[in-house]
Amino acid sequence: QKEVEQNSGPLSVPEGAIASLNCTYSDRVSQSFFWYRQYSGKSPELIMSIYSNGDKEDGRFTAQLNKASQYVSLLIRDSQPSDSATYLCAVRGPGANNLFFGTGTRLTVIP
Amino acid sequence: GAVVSQHPSRVICKSGTSVKIECRSLDFQATTMFWYRQFPKKSLMLMATSNEGSKATYEQGVEKDKFLINHASLTLSTLTVTSAHPEDSSFYICSARGASGYYEQYFGPGTRLTVT
Repeated sequence: QKEVEQNSGPLSVPEGAIASLNCTYSDRVSQSFFWYRQYSGKSPELIMSIYSNGDKEDGRFTAQLNKASQYVSLLIRDSQPSDSATYLCAVRGPGANNLFFGTGTRLTVIP
Repeated sequence: GAVVSQHPSRVICKSGTSVKIECRSLDFQATTMFWYRQFPKKSLMLMATSNEGSKATYEQGVEKDKFLINHASLTLSTLTVTSAHPEDSSFYICSARGASGYYEQYFGPGTRLTVT
């Protein structure tokens, strides 16, 4: 059973701070890793993808992947109230069709 | 990112009727499409995966005769909820993936189905 684990939160950070979201996965051969943002009542929106060990930066977002530790994280710098949402970690194995999702971490950015 | 549209965004139907939901990839060819449902404050639940021109693969516990999926072209998949009942009321979300690159998967905006 492939598992993707996230702390459900809620995670509260003040506006302007760095929000750190973490995810671990059980399948060691997983190859593709994604972070989605889901606002309440809306569908998930892809914000980051990462495939290699290390950091990947896109604007205020940085994804970090450590395959040896089976760990992927998302950092949000200069957090804004509009970042308040549930963040879903998703993982795909080699040759696999579908994604395995974590249950999501609810982030609240306090003005 | 790529754009996936879904129609209708919201539908209310009477118990026993059927409802069709369309999912389109607007700017890429979706070789694989996925259908999810999500209950309030719950995780996404994968219902089925379909490849263009092939029969859909349903997840365990999902009735294929109740949730009919058609993926007739590289840009269109449909989900038909047959003989809908109130317990089928949910948020249905399609997702699509192309054939190139690292296969990023994009979601449609979702369809909120209410069965009365």
